[in-house]
Amino acid sequence: QKEVEQDPGPLSVPEGAIVSLNCTYSNSAFQYFMWYRQYSRKGPELLMYTYSSGNKEDGRFTAQVDKSSKYISLFIRDSQPSDSATYLCALLGGSGGSYIPTFGRGTSLIVHP
Amino acid sequence: NAGVTQTPKFQVLKTGQSMTLQCAQDMNHNSMYWYRQDPGMGLRLIYYSASEGTTDKGEVPNGYNVSRLNKREFSLRLESAAPSQTSVYFCASRTAGGGYTFGSGTRLTVV
Repeated sequence: QKEVEQDPGPLSVPEGAIVSLNCTYSNSAFQYFMWYRQYSRKGPELLMYTYSSGNKEDGRFTAQVDKSSKYISLFIRDSQPSDSATYLCALLGGSGGSYIPTFGRGTSLIVHP
Repeated sequence: NAGVTQTPKFQVLKTGQSMTLQCAQDMNHNSMYWYRQDPGMGLRLIYYSASEGTTDKGEVPNGYNVSRLNKREFSLRLESAAPSQTSVYFCASRTAGGGYTFGSGTRLTVV
């Protein structure tokens, strides 16, 4: 079992929908949680970075962490075609206190007009 | 613009050839990383440098070498390229407590 599981999708939604992207993990030592967005043929870019359970909001994006369930989510409100990309979760602080992040494989999101 | 710059953007190599991928960051970050990204495999860490003067192996180091030339630059070398090294390579840098900043990638094809 991989340390971080993420459904590859693709997830296809109509414009304006609320999108939920998720990762599950097995190592309770993870303390820091990040979400990256990667457009086709581009490098990943950091969207959200949180280190605690609960919600963190930034515009249309909300990152949610549930450490008790080892489950993290990224919600996108009022989704736009420009949100079409691959979203990767990344977790830090795994076994041995490593600060090399473990990435999920990414979920492909398609927002159609 | 501040960020991570990778060169070249594209490269085609013949099996057995060597090449060096260059990476430079201007954000004064201590840590730098090289990843490869393959379909269905996600990002896999090749090598990293936690600080100037140090380098460590990541998940998939075989067939690669790295040099942390100074705080700004971190290069990745393929000594004898193989078709299995066909991939997209990303360099990234990070400051303590911060997220990664990635370069735009190098698309490498080995024929």
